[in-house]
Amino acid sequence: GAVVSQHPSRVICKSGTSVKIECRSLDFQATTMFWYRQFPKQSLMLMATSNEGSKATYEQGVEKDKFLINHASLTLSTLTVTSAHPEDSSFYICSARRGSRDNEQFFGPGTRLTVL
Amino acid sequence: GQQVMQIPQYQHVQEGEDFTTYCNSSTTLSNIQWYKQRPGGHPVFLIQLVKSGEVKKQKRLTFQFGEAKKNSSLHITATQTTDVGTYFCAGPRIQGAQKLVFGQGTRLTINP
Repeated sequence: GAVVSQHPSRVICKSGTSVKIECRSLDFQATTMFWYRQFPKQSLMLMATSNEGSKATYEQGVEKDKFLINHASLTLSTLTVTSAHPEDSSFYICSARRGSRDNEQFFGPGTRLTVL
Repeated sequence: GQQVMQIPQYQHVQEGEDFTTYCNSSTTLSNIQWYKQRPGGHPVFLIQLVKSGEVKKQKRLTFQFGEAKKNSSLHITATQTTDVGTYFCAGPRIQGAQKLVFGQGTRLTINP
């Protein structure tokens, strides 16, 4: 168990468009989901923490109006990159925790965003 | 701020050689987790260590948590090509323990 899916896996878009990425926990309910960004050959940088039914909390330096997060249900969180620019090109990965007692995070397969 | 540092950044070994990556935290950790990310893939949870001085083994992988709970290591005995990837350690944030602070990762490449 503990499978997390992400969609789409790859997206190429023009500068100025918005892109929505979905993260789903397939076989468990995730009270908390996390959104990370990873540049090539670098570590994971936490962007925001998403709790079901409440507003996401963003890390310092992450623009909440640019990276819109919605955690509508216990199995779905979405990240929308609004008015994307080439510098937003990156690998976006979500993860989920099964419960408050489980520390481990289960990662989705990631979404590679390329903004032209 | 809270930092988790890993060394080395890269390691290239011959298949069959051993490999070790070290993780050091600027703060005492309640637990430490290790993840593996294959090239082009996503991080996959390997293990969590909680107790001071804890040692856990998974086949050829040995994980250790330091007595002061500020450092950890991952040792792979007799590497195989399937071990290729980047190994990350991660510890819970001091503030907001559900969040993880990841080390920079150690990228392991293997010559078959």
